[in-house]
Formats: sequence, structure tokens, C-alpha cells
Amino acid sequence: KQEVTQIPAALSVPEGENLVLNCSFTDSAIYNLQWFRQDPGKGLTSLLLIQSSQREQTSGRLNASLDKSSGRSTLYIAASQPGDSATYLCAVRGLGGANNLFFGTGTRLTVIP
Amino acid sequence: DTAVSQTPKYLVTQMGNDKSIKCEQNLGHDTMYWYKQDSKKFLKIMFSYNNKELIINETVPNRFSPKSPDKAHLNLHINSLELGDSAVYFCASSPLDRPSYNEQFFGPGTRLTVL
Repeated sequence: KQEVTQIPAALSVPEGENLVLNCSFTDSAIYNLQWFRQDPGKGLTSLLLIQSSQREQTSGRLNASLDKSSGRSTLYIAASQPGDSATYLCAVRGLGGANNLFFGTGTRLTVIP
Repeated sequence: DTAVSQTPKYLVTQMGNDKSIKCEQNLGHDTMYWYKQDSKKFLKIMFSYNNKELIINETVPNRFSPKSPDKAHLNLHINSLELGDSAVYFCASSPLDRPSYNEQFFGPGTRLTVL
């Protein structure tokens, strides 16, 4: 059974710092890994999707890496801004019949002005 | 706007009632999902459905049933609501083919409170 863990659970950084969020998963048989952002009381916004054959994806100040064999992904945020404050969720899509995502527990990021 | 939409955004109801949450996507996707986010903010799949197959998470009580009038809609019907059903429910959709590329798009969520 797939289990996804995110460390740390919460992180506070001063504005301008670069930071890394970690995600690990127990079953490396995945189609892809997706990083989401969730603002308080809001839905999920997809940030990046990495296919199982890829090593990384970049979008603006965000860079996500994937090491499928070791069951790890990182989300790197460069030059953090207060507007980056949110909960970041990673999710993997397994190879099983259902197309659903298995979600991590999330990292709550606070960027201090 | 192209999106996944849900109604209502908030739902407050008494224990024992029956309620429905509606979900619509205009992305032309083949597969739709319902997820539940509990009080600890953990998201877990409830149902996965395309026009051929319904896959149910075995932990979901049979009081919950998805109903799909057409490919663009997947409504969630809940019978005999219990206190423990209070949560945020998210609908999502994705294309069916090319699974490695399939990004899932989420609705804004419905916050259900059972009193």
C-alpha cells in the first residue's frame, strides 16, 4: 500500500530565502508525482507534474525533482515571497487500476516579510 | 472559465439527513474523483469513476454513493449523515489516456458540517 510522507510538517523562513520541501513514497511503481498548493480554506492548485521517466520539472521559481528508485521528490522554491505561504502537498499516482492520487500529509510554509 | 466546479461551497446539516454535493468539469476529461480531507488536512480518495468503471475505496461507507448523469458530472450523495462525515470534500478530474501525463485538476471543495 502506497504511503506518502512529507517533511517537515511546517516551515517558517524569512522572505528571500531559498527552501526545499521533501516528499517520500514507499512504492516506486508510479506513473507520476504531482505537487499542489493549498491556501487556507481553498482548493488545490496544481504546481508541477513529473512523469515517472523524468528527473525534474521547472516552473518559474519552482523546481521539482524526482528520484523514483529511492522514492523521493523535492520541491525547491527560490527567492521565497510572502505570497508563497500556503500548504504544499505532494501526491503520487500508482500503477494500479484506479487513477487516483495518494497524498502526503503536507508542509505548511510561512514566508515572513 | 474551464474548471472543475462544486456546489455548494458550504453545507451545514443535521445528523441523519441525506445530502448531495454536485461536481461539474468542462475540461473534457474522462475520469472524475471524489476525495475527502479530514480535520487533520489529510486527503484521501473516496471514488474514482470513468464512463466504464467505478472504483470504490474499501474504507468508504456505503452511505456514500457517486452518481454520474453524464461524463461532465459526478455528484456525491450521502445518506444518513453522521458527525464523522464532517470534512471538506474535493472533486477532481483527469484525462483517461496517457496516464504518465495525466494531471489532476481539483474543484474548490465543499465544507460539510454535520451537527
